[in-house]
Amino acid sequence: GENVEQHPSTLSVQEGDSAVIKCTYSDSASNYFPWYKQELGKGPQLIIDIRSNVGEKKDQRIAVTLNKTAKHFSLHITETQPEDSAVYFCAASSDTGRRALTFGSGTRLQVQP
Amino acid sequence: NAGVTQTPKFRILKIGQSMTLQCAQDMNHNYMYWYRQDPGMGLKLIYYSVGAGITDKGEVPNGYNVSRSTTEDFPLRLELAAPSQTSVYFCASSKQGSGELFFGEGSRLTVL
Repeated sequence: GENVEQHPSTLSVQEGDSAVIKCTYSDSASNYFPWYKQELGKGPQLIIDIRSNVGEKKDQRIAVTLNKTAKHFSLHITETQPEDSAVYFCAASSDTGRRALTFGSGTRLQVQP
Repeated sequence: NAGVTQTPKFRILKIGQSMTLQCAQDMNHNYMYWYRQDPGMGLKLIYYSVGAGITDKGEVPNGYNVSRSTTEDFPLRLELAAPSQTSVYFCASSKQGSGELFFGEGSRLTVL
């Protein structure tokens, strides 16, 4: 089955700096790669996703890049703000087989004011 | 609009007890999922369902059972609770397989 590795496990940045979180996946059939943000005591919420026919997608301060050849994808947050502090999860799935997301282990992002 | 509702939010069980975690969604989603979240380990898929009457095992199904008699409800049953089942459980739903998951707020279970 699919295996998703996520790095780093913790990340501390100063307010206004950029943050980058990286993930690799193992199943070449995976074609959907979402990122979820989890705030304390809440369930994860989708913040951005990308499909394998696209190399990059941007939404305001958040961007995701995908390299299908190398099987890795990354989340980029620019101009970080204290409210960006949360746990971020990458995930992968395919349109065939299980069709359920396999999640990475999470990155705890702390933005220092 | 309620979205995905999980009950209870917190529960303490003794070893060997049984219980059911309830999950209901009001978005008419076909797909529903149960994940467990252990510290530093991300979310692991326990069971999922692609529609009423259909359920499938995920990565970590041992010790759990599910049923899907209606589109709205997807209860998770723990038989003979063990300390290894201490975790936070999340139910989620989606309109399609490769699409946005909507999560409940979680159920924190402690087995002593």
